[in-house]
Amino acid sequence: QQPVQSPQAVILREGEDAVINCSSSKALYSVHWYRQKHGEAPVFLMILLKGGEQKGHEKISASFNEKKQQSSLYLTASQLSYSGTYFCGTVMQGAQKLVFGQGTRLTINP
Amino acid sequence: EPEVTQTPSHQVTQMGQEVILRCVPISNHLYFYWYRQILGQKVEFLVSFYNNEISEKSEIFDDQFSVERPDGSNFTLKIRSTKLEDSAMYFCASSQLRTPGYTFGSGTRLTVV
Repeated sequence: QQPVQSPQAVILREGEDAVINCSSSKALYSVHWYRQKHGEAPVFLMILLKGGEQKGHEKISASFNEKKQQSSLYLTASQLSYSGTYFCGTVMQGAQKLVFGQGTRLTINP
Repeated sequence: EPEVTQTPSHQVTQMGQEVILRCVPISNHLYFYWYRQILGQKVEFLVSFYNNEISEKSEIFDDQFSVERPDGSNFTLKIRSTKLEDSAMYFCASSQLRTPGYTFGSGTRLTVV
């Protein structure tokens, strides 16, 4: 079951904040966030394993609401280097495979 | 930092030909995966491999696909008779734990003509 990401695309000016959401209709074991630059492999950002867990990676952080089967990725004071497509990946309870959402394209303009 | 290595980086093949995509996972990882990404689309799961056997596969992974770990280091994806719609980026990934942060290779761009 593919997770649903929103929005599909975001355009920001450098220094602005963004939130990318990821939701699933199934009970989740974990949520993974990746960033992919054009023509490159996805780069792992973070994994969230427990309901209510929050993690940070420089100015990028994420939360996981296990009850709502939702995760959000927060990008604060965005930098030009944050541009790319962000994918959430989910692993359902009792499963192993990582299933990716359709991606959110983030464009940061100077 | 350890890497997942994929070769070749780009392969062009004629429709109906067999191709083998190669991957060298991180040495102490136990789980191996293949994903594919058609240009501009999402990353799709193909297959996972653990303890020398397929642990899970998607509906995309039909009889035309097979995986092998022929020695202690390589992990291969074979497509027996390629179709135009097999054109995509193929990513290999590996992990230590059952549900990890995967490490992806840089991908092989397969173009079927």
